[in-house]
Amino acid sequence: GAVVSQHPSRVICKSGTSVKIECRSLDFQATTMFWYRQFPKQSLMLMATSNEGSKATYEQGVEKDKFLINHASLTLSTLTVTSAHPEDSSFYICSAREGTGNAFFGQGTRLTVV
Amino acid sequence: GEDVEQSLFLSVREGDSSVINCTYTDSSSTYLYWYKQEPGAGLQLLTYIFSNMDMKQDQRLTVLLNKKDKHLSLRIADTQTGDSAIYFCAESTPDSWGKFQFGAGTQVVVTP
Repeated sequence: GAVVSQHPSRVICKSGTSVKIECRSLDFQATTMFWYRQFPKQSLMLMATSNEGSKATYEQGVEKDKFLINHASLTLSTLTVTSAHPEDSSFYICSAREGTGNAFFGQGTRLTVV
Repeated sequence: GEDVEQSLFLSVREGDSSVINCTYTDSSSTYLYWYKQEPGAGLQLLTYIFSNMDMKQDQRLTVLLNKKDKHLSLRIADTQTGDSAIYFCAESTPDSWGKFQFGAGTQVVVTP
């Protein structure tokens, strides 16, 4: 199947700093990517839909000013957690949708805010 | 919105069959997926089925779909210790392909 690479896999940051997570489709172009968040022992919750060349669509309850999404090319979407706080510590996973409609997931990023 | 529900825990002996159940609420045509997640890792697509199908088999995996009851199951034959993981049921609809509604996940523990 298609490959989606997410970087970094783990990051620890200080409270109040910002962290950028990258999601790349390596062998296909993705006009649409999705960002999910998973808290410990919970399911994945969709945060936002990232559309190439346009603004992201955020799910209800997700702060767009806190979770900045940029999808500047057909193979890269970035999620920036701004002014991170301990409650933002979570597992963030992206997925990229290819032309047939199938979506492939990255390996996830474990964010710890201390 | 749509809800996807599944049992939270399953313990099974190595060599036995595992059956993980899931119910969904969306009545429109949809794809239904099973993903596997090992500790600290991303999601691995195991299999998927379109809602106009009743069954799909892929090696040790069998997916059964009861569209009338909106019930989906995943059967793993000859369960191995490497099958210990969390299994997520998910659905996606044609108007939003790739956007998933996930169940809470079923933790499968395989004992020797």
